Amino acid sequence: GAGVSQSPSNKVTEKGKDVELRCDPISGHTALYWYRQRLGQGLEFLIYFQGNSAPDKSGLPSDRFSAERTGESVSTLTIQRTQQEDSAVYLCASSSGGGGNTEAFFGQGTRLTVV
Amino acid sequence: TQLLEQSPQFLSIQEGENLTVYCNSSSVFSSLQWYRQEPGEGPVLLVTVVTGGEVKKLKRLTFQFGDARKDSSLHITAAQPGDTGLYLCAGRSGSARQLTFGSGTQLTVLP
Repeated sequence: GAGVSQSPSNKVTEKGKDVELRCDPISGHTALYWYRQRLGQGLEFLIYFQGNSAPDKSGLPSDRFSAERTGESVSTLTIQRTQQEDSAVYLCASSSGGGGNTEAFFGQGTRLTVV
Repeated sequence: TQLLEQSPQFLSIQEGENLTVYCNSSSVFSSLQWYRQEPGEGPVLLVTVVTGGEVKKLKRLTFQFGDARKDSSLHITAAQPGDTGLYLCAGRSGSARQLTFGSGTQLTVLP
């Protein structure tokens, strides 16, 4: 596709349920990021994939959060046993490399609401 | 963890006024980017600065990277309602591969 695509755009789930969020990056982009954005705040880094290297998971807030990426394509962020504090917009971005000057292109995000 | 602090957090001004947004850190960054985010959308890149002291201009927007590459500023001249949005700075250090974002400045320009 022309841009980064995320699905679903909105997700309402009950506390304690598991959720999966999907990100389709721009074709050919080797780098993929997941961020969390709480209402009116900046972006909180979660995880970073670069090619076939081991992902940088240093931003995952707890072991309830995990993410996978198939090659250099689709990524899935999974949150197990969701809590109300997990409510946020989850943004995915991709870039053509991990270099310092490369532009990150963002999807529109998945708004997660845990009730 | 590199922290980027932005100020002010909120800014509401009248059309035609000038404003400056600041992005500060105790860490040195190899590059720093500014993004703008509108409601319901992901952030969109405005500019990348890489050299200490560098100044870049984008129409009415002027971006500066500090000499020590620890801070940056965004100056908007004659703000317009279309400038309304969340402005985010983001940087990478030499060792970290991830892009670290600041907390953002929510700008509202009133007509």
